[in-house]
Amino acid sequence: AQSVSQHNHHVILSEAASLELGCNYSYGGTVNLFWYVQYPGQHLQLLLKYFSGDPLVKGIKGFEAEFIKSKFSFNLRKPSVQWSDTAEYFCAVIPISNFGNEKLTFGTGTRLTIIP
Amino acid sequence: DSGVTQTPKHLITATGQRVTLRCSPRSGDLSVYWYQQSLDQGLQFLIQYYNGEERAKGNILERFSAQQFPDLHSELNLSSLELGDSALYFCASSPRQLANYGYTFGSGTRLTVV
Repeated sequence: AQSVSQHNHHVILSEAASLELGCNYSYGGTVNLFWYVQYPGQHLQLLLKYFSGDPLVKGIKGFEAEFIKSKFSFNLRKPSVQWSDTAEYFCAVIPISNFGNEKLTFGTGTRLTIIP
Repeated sequence: DSGVTQTPKHLITATGQRVTLRCSPRSGDLSVYWYQQSLDQGLQFLIQYYNGEERAKGNILERFSAQQFPDLHSELNLSSLELGDSALYFCASSPRQLANYGYTFGSGTRLTVV
């Protein structure tokens, strides 16, 4: 079964700092990759996704992520964070299959706190 | 509004009781997924239904059950509740070809067992 690791449990940054959140997955086959964000008290929202093609994907609110297949990684980045980016960030993976029972496996999340 | 509707938003109940959480998927989505989010366990997949049939099971306790009705809404039933069942329960939906779409999540039901 696939698994997802997010090694940074809590990251604290000042506004305008650059951000990189790590995500590694374990699965031998082809996967689709996602980053979700959960703002305080809200539901999970899709930030960006990677299916195929250019390994550098851009999402909403200035976020981007890079898929490095050889490293089984899908790190999230943002050049300059804002206070409003304070939230919890989840990396998720889904294997590609034809069985129809695919499900997203989430990492444990990274809490991001931005200090004004 | 994500298009996935969950009710109720908050639920407080006593240990030993039974509750039902309801989810209406986004229009056109056939799959419904239930997740439990707690502080110590993160987001745990419980169960998936597709067009009325159970398709995948995760870490769902025997005290919990779910179903998806012909109109595609789903209910998660939690019985013999324990303090440890206190958590946020999320429902998500997706079209059939999940590989081409991410999930759309509802706002969740916060369950507090006292």
